[in-house]
Amino acid sequence: AQTVTQSQPEMSVQEAETVTLSCTYDTSESDYYLFWYKQPPSRQMILVIRQEAYKQQNATENRFSVNFQKAAKSFSLKISDSQLGDAAMYFCAYRSNSGNTPLVFGKGTRLSVIA
Amino acid sequence: EAGVAQSPRYKIIEKRQSVAFWCNPISGHATLYWYQQILGQGPKLLIQFQNNGVVDDSQLPKDRFSAERLKGVDSTLKIQPAKLEDSAVYLCASSLGANRGTDTQYFGPGTRLTVL
Repeated sequence: AQTVTQSQPEMSVQEAETVTLSCTYDTSESDYYLFWYKQPPSRQMILVIRQEAYKQQNATENRFSVNFQKAAKSFSLKISDSQLGDAAMYFCAYRSNSGNTPLVFGKGTRLSVIA
Repeated sequence: EAGVAQSPRYKIIEKRQSVAFWCNPISGHATLYWYQQILGQGPKLLIQFQNNGVVDDSQLPKDRFSAERLKGVDSTLKIQPAKLEDSAVYLCASSLGANRGTDTQYFGPGTRLTVL
């Protein structure tokens, strides 16, 4: 079974600075997707960024980018120019590409942004 | 486009009582998921529907939890009788149902259940 590990329960960053959230995963599959979701206090999970395992190029969405290391099974999220609205829980998630499968989530990292 | 709707947003019950949650997915989405999110943890899948059929319910405690998706649209999740450890946020998500990992799941705001 696939597992996702987020080793940082909490992180903080100064406004306008850069922060990196860590994620590792375990799988025997070669074809899969990785995601970062944001969950603000409203509880609504919002997709931040997605990475396809067979693509070597790291995904980027505006201020959000990932460092995907397939051999190391590592998938970190970098947030540049942090804003107060970035404060939330961030969840790393895995999804197999074999069939219509659910997401497997890590335990999350709570990000605080300091003004 | 309207998002995934859930109700109620909050529910407080006593143990051994029953409770039901409702989810209305995004129009046209064939796949519907119910996740349980216990405080301090990531969401865990309880059940997945494809249209009105169950795809995966391997982690659903079937002695007390039940779910249905009549007509392949709305879904209800029921707990009867509730236990203290059922206190959690119950998230509903939906997706188009494409058979690939690119099929994005959209989440509702969740229902926070407190069992006293």
